[in-house]
Amino acid sequence: KAGVTQTPRYLIKTRGQQVTLSCSPISGHRSVSWYQQTPGQGLQFLFEYFSETQRNKGNFPGRFSGRQFSNSRSEMNVSTLELGDSALYLCASSFDGGNTEAFFGQGTRLTVV
Amino acid sequence: GENVEQHPSTLSVQEGDSAVIKCTYSDSASNYFPWYKQELGKRPQLIIDIRSNVGEKKDQRIAVTLNKTAKHFSLHITETQPEDSAVYFCAASIRSGGYQKVTFGIGTKLQVIP
Repeated sequence: KAGVTQTPRYLIKTRGQQVTLSCSPISGHRSVSWYQQTPGQGLQFLFEYFSETQRNKGNFPGRFSGRQFSNSRSEMNVSTLELGDSALYLCASSFDGGNTEAFFGQGTRLTVV
Repeated sequence: GENVEQHPSTLSVQEGDSAVIKCTYSDSASNYFPWYKQELGKRPQLIIDIRSNVGEKKDQRIAVTLNKTAKHFSLHITETQPEDSAVYFCAASIRSGGYQKVTFGIGTKLQVIP
């Protein structure tokens, strides 16, 4: 079956702009989690969506938001971009969240200039 | 609070030697402990996981041990090979908002020297 797909793969934005990233989970998976990965910081949890509802949220400012559609596809939005938002953004899908294997997408490399 | 600590942050071993990565967690209700491997430029992938009702699990050259009392778990790689070089992340399921979410450690960069 098809894996987790993230689009776009690379993105360059200017400070102050906003950006939307997309994640298509594995068919049948209802949980989608988003992570920010930067060198030395590991995988920092942004939020998790399950059946269109946000179930968990990490310690990120309100500029980071997300949503999930009825087909389980998820989008993440970052408004008023800052230089420090430059990172690899990974999404992961799983059947039901925290107690099952997560399958990661290839990530979106965001560069803010 | 929600916390998974992982060490060491970097680890270099000679090919054929063993490598051990250790993690501790804070939530006594955690019941799922996966390990992910991320090769350079690639996505993290699950290599092994263990649940709280099991103390040890092995899969060929890799094994994970869990000590629920001490709240720590470890990854053991024996007979290391150059293709084992990667960043390894431990994780634990943490109670949050009535649900379980996975919290990751900071990662261990393993280098296997030929």
